[in-house]
Amino acid sequence: DTAVSQTPKYLVTQMGNDKSIKCEQNLGHDTMYWYKQDSKKFLKIMFSYNNKELIINETVPNRFSPKSPDKAHLNLHINSLELGDSAVYFCASSQDSSVRETQYFGPGTRLLVL
Amino acid sequence: EDQVTQSPEALRLQEGESSSLNCSYTVSGLRGLFWYRQDPGKGPEFLFTLYSAGEEKEKERLKATLTKKESFLHITAPKPEDSATYLCAVKGGGNKLTFGTGTQLKVEL
Repeated sequence: DTAVSQTPKYLVTQMGNDKSIKCEQNLGHDTMYWYKQDSKKFLKIMFSYNNKELIINETVPNRFSPKSPDKAHLNLHINSLELGDSAVYFCASSQDSSVRETQYFGPGTRLLVL
Repeated sequence: EDQVTQSPEALRLQEGESSSLNCSYTVSGLRGLFWYRQDPGKGPEFLFTLYSAGEEKEKERLKATLTKKESFLHITAPKPEDSATYLCAVKGGGNKLTFGTGTQLKVEL
């Protein structure tokens, strides 16, 4: 059973397009996250939702819009894709948003913008 | 702002050759230091959490230690299957994980 799953695994698209990445967790966790890992393997948080409420919103272009339809799902929609958006996007979840909670990561979505 | 620096960037070991990876951090009020392992093409896999200086945790050939300024991941008698990128992250008062850029470990026969 996959704990944190993401679709699609690979995404190749043209500049200016709009795309979405989906994430689902079956761990019963309350908190979910989106991270971006760049070409230098640096992993940086973008957003966090706790019980469908946005709690962390880092300095991310407003072309990126997360949506959490329920506690088990967190989707990421990206408008007007740019070359610099090419990266691996990871979804993660934790039991709750308390400081001691461990985050568990999905397999990643590899986005390439041409 | 929280900062994490990992060294070395890359490490090549012979099977059985023990070594240590370093994670230096600057954080306002450390709430936890996390070690993850990341295999190529996969997401980070949780290894350990350390909460206070002096704490140690072990799992198979790995042992993580923590001081007030840094953490070490000791690898004893590594095997080829230990080859991966090891990521260190800290959580401070802002309750978000700040990652280092990782140490890419290659263990050869």
